[in-house]
Amino acid sequence: AIQMTQSPSSLSASVGDRVTITCRASQDIRNDLGWYQQKPGKAPRLLIYAASSLQSGVPSRFSGSGSGTDFTLTISCLQPEDFATYYCLQDNKYPRMFGQGTKVEIK
Amino acid sequence: EVQLVESGGGLVQPGGSLRLSCAASGFTFSTYWMTWVRQAPGKGLEWVANIKQDGNEKNYVDSVKGRFTISRDNAKNSLYLHLNSLIVEDTAVYYCARDADYHHGGGDYDAFDIWGQGTMVTVSS
Repeated sequence: AIQMTQSPSSLSASVGDRVTITCRASQDIRNDLGWYQQKPGKAPRLLIYAASSLQSGVPSRFSGSGSGTDFTLTISCLQPEDFATYYCLQDNKYPRMFGQGTKVEIK
Repeated sequence: EVQLVESGGGLVQPGGSLRLSCAASGFTFSTYWMTWVRQAPGKGLEWVANIKQDGNEKNYVDSVKGRFTISRDNAKNSLYLHLNSLIVEDTAVYYCARDADYHHGGGDYDAFDIWGQGTMVTVSS
């Protein structure tokens, strides 16, 4: 199975900060990667698909990049509603695998 | 409104069985792959299984193969997950999700664009 390694596992940031989360795949997954946001007690929400395409309705401060094995989710100007846990997901091969998550906390 | 609503969770003893349901509305259910994802208490997300539009292709994570069965009834706009031989490690919130197809830059991509609210399964004696 393809393993997905996210880093960091958690980070503290302030409103207005630029935040970067990385995800590394154990093998080449082209750009078959999505990013999801989850708030406590809620279902996940799709932010990015195909590594860099913004899902409809998602604010443009979210962006994704990368291909092959290394990917990045960037939040350009952190807002109060962005404090949440973020997951990457590879959809290149079965079984689909999520990263372990990155919790973004208020500094 | 596009919506997925799960039901069927509960408390079950190890070795027991349960059937989860996911009712879809607001979209043409029969044209989408559908997926189950679970989340153990305090843990991350784990993809469990998915099923093709016509039900003829199914995929599972290794930890549930032979114990869980995904199915669907397109006439009822419903997705199911049959959980058998349950173990404590199956304790989780189970989410159903719509597996959307995106055509971008000449390629086809999957992503889970609509999620239900989840249903809790607790396996305990």
